[in-house]
Amino acid sequence: NAGVTQTPKFQVLKTGQSMTLQCAQDMNHNSMYWYRQDPGMGLRLIYYSASEGTTDKGEVPNGYNVSRLNKREFSLRLESAAPSQTSVYFCASSLTAYGYTFGSGTRLTVV
Amino acid sequence: RKEVEQDPGPFNVPEGATVAFNCTYSNSASQSFFWYRQDCRKEPKLLMSVYSSGNEDGRFTAQLNRASQYISLLIRDSKLSDSATYLCVADSKTSYDKVIFGPGTSLSVIP
Repeated sequence: NAGVTQTPKFQVLKTGQSMTLQCAQDMNHNSMYWYRQDPGMGLRLIYYSASEGTTDKGEVPNGYNVSRLNKREFSLRLESAAPSQTSVYFCASSLTAYGYTFGSGTRLTVV
Repeated sequence: RKEVEQDPGPFNVPEGATVAFNCTYSNSASQSFFWYRQDCRKEPKLLMSVYSSGNEDGRFTAQLNRASQYISLLIRDSKLSDSATYLCVADSKTSYDKVIFGPGTSLSVIP
């Protein structure tokens, strides 16, 4: 089973560039999430989607937008990348609070 | 105050040792608790849920103390392969299926 698939795995952007991180899950989960992980800060929720067609802000939404394209796919967009957005990004999905499944992550560097 | 706090460590222990991690949570309404494991440069993976009565999975034992609002993870007979960061997780009452991740405790098991 693929589980949660994230692309790309690595990306280097220049300040001001835009990009979209893609995420897809094949577990028929209703809820999907985008997190960022920085040293000493742990995982911080950027946006989440409790079901197809709904999205909500998490702890650190500024500078990001999301789209829940369908039940399987949840994308994260950086419209104008900033060095402060250098981080590791994880997509996750879940049926309930029990058992989040994470993708393998995207390592993003903004220079 | 962070909603979920952990001692960041690192904990450096010899093989075969017993090691315990503690975690505190601030939201007394939280009902569900978990431990996740994250290997270096990998995604977090669910290790075990934490039940009110305590639960054991092989060498791993999880305990919950609601009165003091803390959760513990005990690892007996540590193996080299246990080296990882352990994340404490509590559900968030702002959304029925959103959880809060602690910053993690780093464990290194030394030969």
